[in-house]
Amino acid sequence: DQQVKQNSPSLSVQEGRISILNCDYTNSMFDYFLWYKKYPAEGPTFLISISSIKDKNEDGRFTVFLNKSAKHLSLHIVPSQPGDSAVYFCAASGAGGTSYGKLTFGQGTILTVHP
Amino acid sequence: DGGITQSPKYLFRKEGQNVTLSCEQNLNHDAMYWYRQDPGQGLRLIYYSQIVNDFQKGDIAEGYSVSREKKESFPLTVTSAQKNPTAFYLCASSIRQLLAGRNEQFFGPGTRLTVL
Repeated sequence: DQQVKQNSPSLSVQEGRISILNCDYTNSMFDYFLWYKKYPAEGPTFLISISSIKDKNEDGRFTVFLNKSAKHLSLHIVPSQPGDSAVYFCAASGAGGTSYGKLTFGQGTILTVHP
Repeated sequence: DGGITQSPKYLFRKEGQNVTLSCEQNLNHDAMYWYRQDPGQGLRLIYYSQIVNDFQKGDIAEGYSVSREKKESFPLTVTSAQKNPTAFYLCASSIRQLLAGRNEQFFGPGTRLTVL
């Protein structure tokens, strides 16, 4: 049962344009969402997060949008740079009991930014 | 420098052998996690520990074992019972999460295990 889904395995974007990565979730108990960036053979690094009490969070070129009614979040990167080329994972954290602290990850989207 | 170390970077073992992957952190985090990544898939949780001397099974714990005798260390043993052990293994840590809210996990560089 895939509770967090990234339906686009890959995305190709021109340098300077906007990259939009999407993520859907099914568990309504999730209350905190994170995006991680990962290069091959390395551990993921944290990018940006959003709490379920917000619908938008910005950090420099990165903005995450959350639509709770649609159980959908997206990561916008503007402007995209070649160094942004990596795999992007969304992750969700649930509320309640021993679920605290556990992250559920999507399958990842490979972003390629062309010069 | 605060961080998480995993060693070795690459590990080769013969089928049927147990192997232990190390994970050490000096971030003073209470919680530690082990994930597995396979090609085209996300990270799947194997085991996690919120405090010393306590740990819980994640989503794919079969064929794995862990211990948490020290706050800084959370070694993972891949046993011969694990049917498909070849994968990229990632260790992470975070503050202990007692309430809903921010839960940022910090990851180590990973260990690529290949079973021949």
